Amino acid sequence: GIQVEQSPPDLILQEGANSTLRCNFSDSVNNLQWFHQNPWGQLINLFYIPSGTKQNGRLSATTVATERYSLLYISSSQTTDSGVYFCADDSGGGADGLTFGKGTHLIIQP
Amino acid sequence: NAGVMQNPRHLVRRRGQEARLRCSPMKGHSHVYWYRQLPEEGLKFMVYLQKENIIDESGMPKERFSAEFPKEGPSILRIQQVVRGDSAAYFCASSGALETQYFGPGTRLLVL
Repeated sequence: GIQVEQSPPDLILQEGANSTLRCNFSDSVNNLQWFHQNPWGQLINLFYIPSGTKQNGRLSATTVATERYSLLYISSSQTTDSGVYFCADDSGGGADGLTFGKGTHLIIQP
Repeated sequence: NAGVMQNPRHLVRRRGQEARLRCSPMKGHSHVYWYRQLPEEGLKFMVYLQKENIIDESGMPKERFSAEFPKEGPSILRIQQVVRGDSAAYFCASSGALETQYFGPGTRLLVL
């Protein structure tokens, strides 16, 4: 099945900083999603982005399907952005289970 | 517009007991997925169901674990004779035709 690699594994930033999180895939991208797991463990949908670029407030994401990677940008970080960011994709062929990366653990310090 | 609902949110069981986790998908969604998250790890796919059918159970342990999504009522993930290694967060997700999966708040299972 598809393999998902995320980098960096850990990131510590000061409030107000910008960051870029990366996700590489071993196979073609199908139904790529980005999630934020907050410190209370809830998984929040950020983007469904199999290709192209999307923006939502201070967050944006770009997927380059031909090169099998996706980037998540966080601008003007706030302490509430802390948590673990996961990307995930399925193997294609319909509504399959998602394969998750190991996540990027982001800490935003005041 | 209620999201994916899971209950209980926390469940404590002694070794050997049964655990039953429930998931109600978002309104209009007919696809349900179960995932397990061990401490400090990403989520691992377990099983994918549609109403009355198991579509893919390739991620489910062969023994003690079962899942169903009946015609009426929530999807149920059942773990029989729980062991300490079953302690984890179990997440349910649902999707409709657009295939974006939306996750519930999870059930934290602790086996004593």
